[in-house]
Amino acid sequence: QVQLVQSGAEVKKPGASVMVSCKASGYTFTGYYLHWVRQAPGQGLEWMGRINPASGDTNYAQKFQGRVTMTRDTSISTAYMELSRLTSDDTVVYYCAGGEWVDIWGQGTMVTVSS
Amino acid sequence: SYELTQPPSVSVSPGQTARITCSGDALPKKYPYWYQQKSGQAPVLVIYEDNKRPSGIPERFSGSSSGTMATLTISGAQVEDEADYYCYSTDSSGNHRVFGGGTKLTVL
Repeated sequence: QVQLVQSGAEVKKPGASVMVSCKASGYTFTGYYLHWVRQAPGQGLEWMGRINPASGDTNYAQKFQGRVTMTRDTSISTAYMELSRLTSDDTVVYYCAGGEWVDIWGQGTMVTVSS
Repeated sequence: SYELTQPPSVSVSPGQTARITCSGDALPKKYPYWYQQKSGQAPVLVIYEDNKRPSGIPERFSGSSSGTMATLTISGAQVEDEADYYCYSTDSSGNHRVFGGGTKLTVL
């Protein structure tokens, strides 16, 4: 079964960092870019960046440059997204998405930033 | 930074044709994709590379482009097509992706 399974919900304090994982199965993990997308409650989709799982090369949206790091572990077909210096504006759902046509999406991970 | 512009909302009656537009300067050279998102769910790809439908997507969904404008057409919209629709594409460098602001489709 082709799927991406993300890690569970997180609660963080302002200024902290969060790492979300995304495990691929049913397709060749290193064959296609893995993207990270986020969505604030009631708002639209926002592209954060992508990683080439084969090479580790990354491209980040300008908005997140310097605050986001995307990595992967090919041995376990898992990608990671770490976001630092969290604020309340980072209280959103984070999705990973991949596949040849960016047609495979994870279930989403809710991150809540609250003091 | 690069932007894709969509109308905030479109409304049609069941059985009518719904058209959702997306404008962006790089669209003549970069394929648009379209996603459907229903409340509380992850997005679902309905059109890729301008006009291709993934398996399982009904034939009433189609895509087209002309110049800097891409259009998602739902021919004979159904009540179950009510959702938010997002266009998605790449900037001219090819390294950065962007979503349009989303269009809420109401079918009633």
